[in-house]
Amino acid sequence: KQEVTQIPAALSVPEGENLVLNCSFTDSAIYNLQWFRQDPGKGLTSLLLIQSSQREQTSGRLNASLDKSSGRSTLYIAASQPGDSATYLCAVDRGGSNYKLTFGKGTLLTVNP
Amino acid sequence: NAGVTQTPKFQVLKTGQSMTLQCAQDMNHEYMSWYRQDPGMGLRLIHYSVGAGITDQGEVPNGYNVSRSTTEDFPLRLLSAAPSQTSVYFCASSRGQRSYNEQFFGPGTRLTVL
Repeated sequence: KQEVTQIPAALSVPEGENLVLNCSFTDSAIYNLQWFRQDPGKGLTSLLLIQSSQREQTSGRLNASLDKSSGRSTLYIAASQPGDSATYLCAVDRGGSNYKLTFGKGTLLTVNP
Repeated sequence: NAGVTQTPKFQVLKTGQSMTLQCAQDMNHEYMSWYRQDPGMGLRLIHYSVGAGITDQGEVPNGYNVSRSTTEDFPLRLLSAAPSQTSVYFCASSRGQRSYNEQFFGPGTRLTVL
C-alpha cells in the first residue's frame, strides 16, 4: 500500500527566506507526483505536476524535484512571501489500471512579514 | 469556465438523514472523483469515475453512492448519514490522458452530522 509522508508538518519562516518542503512515498512505481496548495477553508489548487520520467518542474518561484528511486520529492520556494502562507500537499498517482491519488497530510507554511 | 463547482457549501444533517452532494465541471473532463478530508487523516478517495456510466470505489466507499449519467455531473449520495461522515468533501476532475492528469478541485462541502 502506497503511503505518502510530508515533513515537516508545520513550518514558520520570515519573509524572503528560501525554503524546502519534503514529500516521501513508499512505492516508487508511480505515474506522477503533484504538489497542491490549500488555503484555509478552500479547495486545492494544483501547483506543479511531475511525470515519472521527469526530474523536476518549475513555475515562477516554485521548483519541484522528483527522485523515484529514493521515493522523494521536494518543493523549493524561493524568496518566500506572506501570500505563500498555506498548506502544501503532495499526492502520487499510485499506478495500476485505474487513476487514483494518494495524498500526504500536508505541511502548514506560515511566512511572517 | 467555472471549473469544478460544488453545492452546497455547508450542510448540517441529523443521523439517519440522506442527502446528495452535487458536483459539476465544465471542462469536458473524463475523470471525476470524490475525496473526504479529515484532520490528521489527509484526503482519502471515496469514489471515482473514468467516464459517463462508469464508476468505481476508492479507499473509503462505505456509506456513499455515486452515479455518472453525464460527463459534467458526479453527485455523491449519503443514504443514511452517520456522525463518522462529518467531514469536508471535495470533488475533483481531470482529463483522461493519464500522464498529464492535473487534478482540478472544487471549493468543498463542509458536512456536519449530528
